[in-house]
Formats: sequence, structure tokens, C-alpha cells
Amino acid sequence: GAGVSQSPSNKVTEKGKDVELRCDPISGHTALYWYRQSLGQGLEFLIYFQGNSAPDKSGLPSDRFSAERTGGSVSTLTIQRTQQEDSAVYLCASSLGSGGGLSTDTQYFGPGTRLTVL
Amino acid sequence: GNSVTQMEGPVTLSEEAFLTINCTYTATGYPSLFWYVQYPGEGLQLLLKATKADDKGSNKGFEATYRKETTSFHLEKGSVQVSDSAVYFCALITSGGYNKLIFGAGTRLAVHP
Repeated sequence: GAGVSQSPSNKVTEKGKDVELRCDPISGHTALYWYRQSLGQGLEFLIYFQGNSAPDKSGLPSDRFSAERTGGSVSTLTIQRTQQEDSAVYLCASSLGSGGGLSTDTQYFGPGTRLTVL
Repeated sequence: GNSVTQMEGPVTLSEEAFLTINCTYTATGYPSLFWYVQYPGEGLQLLLKATKADDKGSNKGFEATYRKETTSFHLEKGSVQVSDSAVYFCALITSGGYNKLIFGAGTRLAVHP
């Protein structure tokens, strides 16, 4: 497809279970970002990938959160031992990426995965 | 730290009314500034941007001017339409920040006929 895709679109899980969220960026985009949108915290940055490396993980809220990117393309965000406060919409974005410095490359967002932890 | 403050919503207007959504920021260095929009049931999309002081971003009749002296980037439109009903987010990127977007809380706009 032409845009950023995410799966699943909705995920309902029980407290304590692990979940994996997937992001397929736009082909050729080297920069990939994960954000979280929740009622209490608004839109917040989680992690940034340039290629397969993650030079900025500063937004991950705890060590239960991890992410990887393979082949410079698909990324997976994993949340272990989910808690109710993890309920949110998880957004992925990609951009052309410059590998450093200030870039105003447009970030294109996917539709998000709505995670509900019961 | 770096942050963005937006006026709280919801903002409710009649069609063809003038729109202003206020946005101010705190940032180190010289950030780039953005307005993103989220239409009902759709993903976030870039509306406009400005990369240096006094730049004006514009798109779809919306405008915002980067005012360094007042650290502001207010969004304006002269005549809103029902189709402009959405949530609007002001955001910034700072140098040295790996281009991660820092968002304001969002302002919901409802335009009625």
C-alpha cells in the first residue's frame, strides 16, 4: 500500500498478557517513530528508529515496553505484562529520514492500533 | 524542557466564521513548528509547517505564522466549513531531538451549518 499500515487495528487483552503491535512504514522511509495517544497523556513519543537502530528510546514508559525493526522496514512494539494504564492508541509514523540533524521531513502516520487492557 | 501549549477545546463555530486556535511553545534552540489534523475516523495528517522565524505555513485555507518573539504559532482560517470539524494538534521538532514530534494536547473544532 501507499501509506503506513498498522496491525491489528484493535486489540483487547487481559491484564498481565503480552501484546505485539506491528507497523509497516512507507517503502523507502528510513525513519520510523512510535507514539502513544491516550486521554490522560495526549500524544507522546515512545521510540525512534533510523534504519534498524534506535538512537532514541527515551519515551518508552517502562522496561515492559520494547521495540525492534528488521530489514529497515517492519517494526514491532511489544508490551509485556500489560497493565490497564497501557490502554491507548499506538501510532506509528515514518519519514524519509536524514540520519541526523534537524529534518523537517513530513512524518506520515498510520491509522493506529487501539489497545484495551481489561 | 520542550513543550507546546494549546487553547483548550472544544471550539464550536458556525460555518463561515473566523477561526483562531492559539499555540505557544517552549523550546531550546530554534524549533520547527507544525499543525497536524485528525479528522473523525482518520489518522493524523500534516496540515502545515514553518521552519524558521516569520515563516508562514499555509494549506487548505489555513495559515500559521512562526513568531519567535512571542513563541507562538497560532492557526487561523478566515471562513470555516463543516468539513473542517476535527482535532487540531500543534507540534514542534527541535534540533538534537532526532526529529521526534512534541505535541500539544489538541483542540477539538466543531463547525455547524
